[in-house]
Amino acid sequence: GIQVEQSPPDLILQEGANSTLRCNFSDSVNNLQWFHQNPWGQLINLFYIPSGTKQNGRLSATTVATERYSLLYISSSQTTDSGVYFCAAETLDNDMRFGAGTRLTVKP
Amino acid sequence: DAGVTQSPTHLIKTRGQHVTLRCSPISGHKSVSWYQQVLGQGPQFIFQYYEKEERGRGNFPDRFSARQFPNYSSELNVNALLLGDSALYLCASSLAGEGLDTIYFGEGSWLTVV
Repeated sequence: GIQVEQSPPDLILQEGANSTLRCNFSDSVNNLQWFHQNPWGQLINLFYIPSGTKQNGRLSATTVATERYSLLYISSSQTTDSGVYFCAAETLDNDMRFGAGTRLTVKP
Repeated sequence: DAGVTQSPTHLIKTRGQHVTLRCSPISGHKSVSWYQQVLGQGPQFIFQYYEKEERGRGNFPDRFSARQFPNYSSELNVNALLLGDSALYLCASSLAGEGLDTIYFGEGSWLTVV
């Protein structure tokens, strides 16, 4: 099955700093999404981005499907951005695989 | 509009028992998927249902089963519970379930097996 790898596994930032999270996937995908999981376990959808670039406030994402990677950019980070960020890729046979996540800690 | 709702939110079971978890998708969504998330790991895909039919299945033993009802709600059943089944069980819904649209997650059901 498809392999999804995220890096870095852990990231610690000072408030106001920028960061880039990476997601590599091993096969062609129908669907690539980024999620933020809060401390209570709720997964919040950030981007549905099988290809191209999208922006939503301080967050933006880019997926280069031909090179099988996606990037999530966080600018001017805030303490509320802390949590675990997951990317998930869905293959043509409806198998959605999550990466192991990037745990982000933003310090005041 | 209500989001994806799951019940119960927390439960404790004994080894060997069975459990039923329930999920109601967002109104208008016809696809429901189930995931297991063990502490410290990413969610793992268990099942996907669309229009009451199983569309996808992850690498889980036959002790795990699910179904989708005519109103698109879904149940996940786990028999002969093991300690390793302790996890957060997440339900997600989407419009069509063909990998072409966004999926939305519920808040999950925390299962502890003792």
